[in-house]
Amino acid sequence: DAGITQSPRHKVTETGTPVTLRCHQTENHRYMYWYRQDPGHGLRLIHYSYGVKDTDKGEVSDGYSVSRSKTEDFLLTLESATSSQTSVYFCAISDMAGLDTIYFGEGSWLTVV
Amino acid sequence: DQQVKQNSPSLSVQEGRISILNCDYTNSMFDYFLWYKKYPAEGPTFLISISSIKDKNEDGRFTVFLNKSAKHLSLHIVPSQPGDSAVYFCAASYNSGGSNYKLTFGKGTLLTVNP
Repeated sequence: DAGITQSPRHKVTETGTPVTLRCHQTENHRYMYWYRQDPGHGLRLIHYSYGVKDTDKGEVSDGYSVSRSKTEDFLLTLESATSSQTSVYFCAISDMAGLDTIYFGEGSWLTVV
Repeated sequence: DQQVKQNSPSLSVQEGRISILNCDYTNSMFDYFLWYKKYPAEGPTFLISISSIKDKNEDGRFTVFLNKSAKHLSLHIVPSQPGDSAVYFCAASYNSGGSNYKLTFGKGTLLTVNP
């Protein structure tokens, strides 16, 4: 298994509170991604990073921010959580070898009440 | 604007028979296509891929076919096994310049293989 650790794995939070999800990798891969999975929508890219301090928006970035201060860590922050952000969040990593080397973490289940 | 479409939310087949999962795309810039498999409570795992310079790629029981003119690809699983029961995601990508590699996923198809 690729060395990807997501934390927390499960979280329940209240509307309006800030939430940070952490993705930690031990593979030294350059690219890191945050996806969310929702019924009827599949996997949608929130933000991604192509290097330390280099990040860019995905297709559903509103309400989310990210930071990557170290190669191994990619943080996803919900500044003020809303019920529409209740979802399963997957971190993924890849290297320059190609997209078939994208590996996903096990997911973080977030419920905003 | 859904660029990758999996129009069948679910598919049920008998063990031993062929499973065919379909995927359509609209962006002609896509040049690399992948299939991911996902079990409940786990992250997606890579299954098979195909470059736009090919029309077929085979790996054991799994074969992916690409029809560029129709912007259509399909995943064939022969023979299907109960352990193949999972959600299958089609994904596509293109090099948008520089060093950006991003995947666009379809909504997924739930495959159920009945014993």
